[in-house]
Amino acid sequence: AQKITQTQPGMFVQEKEAVTLDCTYDTSDPSYGLFWYKQPSSGEMIFLIYQGSYDQQNATEGRYSLNFQKARKSANLVISASQLGDSAMYFCAMRTMDSNYQLIWGAGTKLIIKP
Amino acid sequence: GAVVSQHPSRVICKSGTSVKIECRSLDFQATTMFWYRQFPKQSLMLMATSNEGSKATYEQGVEKDKFLINHASLTLSTLTVTSAHPEDSSFYICSARDLSSGEGGAWEQYFGPGTRLTVT
Repeated sequence: AQKITQTQPGMFVQEKEAVTLDCTYDTSDPSYGLFWYKQPSSGEMIFLIYQGSYDQQNATEGRYSLNFQKARKSANLVISASQLGDSAMYFCAMRTMDSNYQLIWGAGTKLIIKP
Repeated sequence: GAVVSQHPSRVICKSGTSVKIECRSLDFQATTMFWYRQFPKQSLMLMATSNEGSKATYEQGVEKDKFLINHASLTLSTLTVTSAHPEDSSFYICSARDLSSGEGGAWEQYFGPGTRLTVT
């Protein structure tokens, strides 16, 4: 079965600290993609970062990096130097070759940055 | 980057009426659009996959007669909630797949800003 698991329903982090949001996945498909999205209170889904299963290096996008541990089937999002504007829901998602381009979503983690 | 719009952003309707939500890809062609529903503090739940020129594929448990989906062109898909009831109140989000993006890559789906439906 294909599944995304986010075990942290909520996190509080002090401003300027780094934060790691956990994501583990399960699939038997050798080709897949992993995504992280941010959803602020306004509701829009903001794409943050993508990691392909065959990518040799961990993806990075500005303050966002993805700690891809293929053997452990984990794809944790790391946000460096957190800012108040990072407070939002964060979703991990996966697409596999046989998913008809559908995304499989995790339950999400609510991140609150404290000043 | 590719932009997907949704209209309306918010709608309040009375129980028993129908509501139409539009999802448009503004600068690309989308053969496939996805409709999601999201309850407060929960993840996105895929309702249906909409393919241009053909019938939508609904997920298990989603009533196709209640949630009518039409994908009449490569840039427009509509979701009509028929005979809406308070339990249909939710946040509805569409996403669109860029026809030109090919099989791989990250930029396969672009999300609309969502529509908040309240049924009174």
